[in-house]
Amino acid sequence: AQSVTQLGSHVSVSEGALVLLRCNYSSSVPPYLFWYVQYPNQGLQLLLKYTTGATLVKGINGFEAEFKKSETSFHLTKPSAHMSDAAEYFCAAPVGNNRLAFGKGNQVVVIP
Amino acid sequence: KAGVTQTPRYLIKTRGQQVTLSCSPISGHRSVSWYQQTPGQGLQFLFEYFSETQRNKGNFPGRFSGRQFSNSRSEMNVSTLELGDSALYLCASSLETGERYEQYFGPGTRLTVT
Repeated sequence: AQSVTQLGSHVSVSEGALVLLRCNYSSSVPPYLFWYVQYPNQGLQLLLKYTTGATLVKGINGFEAEFKKSETSFHLTKPSAHMSDAAEYFCAAPVGNNRLAFGKGNQVVVIP
Repeated sequence: KAGVTQTPRYLIKTRGQQVTLSCSPISGHRSVSWYQQTPGQGLQFLFEYFSETQRNKGNFPGRFSGRQFSNSRSEMNVSTLELGDSALYLCASSLETGERYEQYFGPGTRLTVT
């Protein structure tokens, strides 16, 4: 069963515009959620994680995500896109010890 | 601290051959997980090792196997390679085993099967 759902494969955003990547999770998912970023020819880098507590989570590179239980969502945002944000972004949830289920990913293209 | 390292970075093999990939976790990390990444299937969990024991296994055939050594380094082996095994194989390490522990990924090994 899919634990996280990411809508849309490619996301185009103008430089300086808001970046919004959507992630919804299954209600059965434990209260831990992650966002990872993958640059070309590289592995995954942890952007941020939610592990209960404050629902607004700040990560690296100016990204943040808000955990909304009522909407089962954990959307990733960045107020102002930079060219260096061009990458693929994955939402993930644990489905067992050290076993992550990933969304299909969003390829972000930044338009100058 | 050095990150997760994987060797080799690139590999080309022929159908029917076998391959061994290596992963060295971050110093002090005791859990190692393996994932396969393909354009069609995305990121899929292969297995997790903790304290030299396989704790978790994904839905892959028995041709895929792994092991972990006492220093936490891990290897995965794929026997009788098929074209569909072409993928990026990612290793991730974690401090302990548990859902709340974040995983840190290596750069991956790009395997091409011809």
